Amino acid sequence: NAGVTQTPKFQVLKTGQSMTLQCAQDMNHNSMYWYRQDPGMGLRLIYYSASEGTTDKGEVPNGYNVSRLNKREFSLRLESAAPSQTSVYFCASSEVMRQGGTYEQYFGPGTRLTVT
Amino acid sequence: GENVEQHPSTLSVQEGDSAVIKCTYSDSASNYFPWYKQELGKRPQLIIDIRSNVGEKKDQRIAVTLNKTAKHFSLHITETQPEDSAVYFCAASNGNNRLAFGKGNQVVVIP
Repeated sequence: NAGVTQTPKFQVLKTGQSMTLQCAQDMNHNSMYWYRQDPGMGLRLIYYSASEGTTDKGEVPNGYNVSRLNKREFSLRLESAAPSQTSVYFCASSEVMRQGGTYEQYFGPGTRLTVT
Repeated sequence: GENVEQHPSTLSVQEGDSAVIKCTYSDSASNYFPWYKQELGKRPQLIIDIRSNVGEKKDQRIAVTLNKTAKHFSLHITETQPEDSAVYFCAASNGNNRLAFGKGNQVVVIP
């Protein structure tokens, strides 16, 4: 199993350009997430999808859109990139949280995005 | 929403000593508290977690304790080794399938 995969690994954009970050998981998880990680700011949730066909805003959704293409894939789109969106982006997936037991979010390797 | 804070931001310890990282949370409905470890350039990975009906949980050299009254939980690493050097994130959830992460603590183990 590959787990959670993300493409691309690195990207440089100019201000105003658009791009889509791709994420796929092969663990048959229902829930998927997009986070951004900035120095000293921890992991901040951008959008998440509790199940196929649903998406919800997280803590920092402005400037982003998402698509849950199917159960496996969850993409993040920047329509008009800004320097403030320079960050490392992580996708994650998990099974539905249940009473008791361990609930784990499995992270992808990350995409390092620079907007100039 | 839930607000999770971590202290201290950076912790340096001598190899073999213990390290303790403390987190506080704001939502009294939170009932699940995991810790994730992120090595330099790698992805975060779950290392231990605890639910609100348990006060302490151990797994070899790491342990987590929870004080629901004070709304704080701590990660304890004993007999630290160089491979323990990493950023550690605490998180909290009230069962809504989301995690609220703290800002992270850098742990440096000095050989």
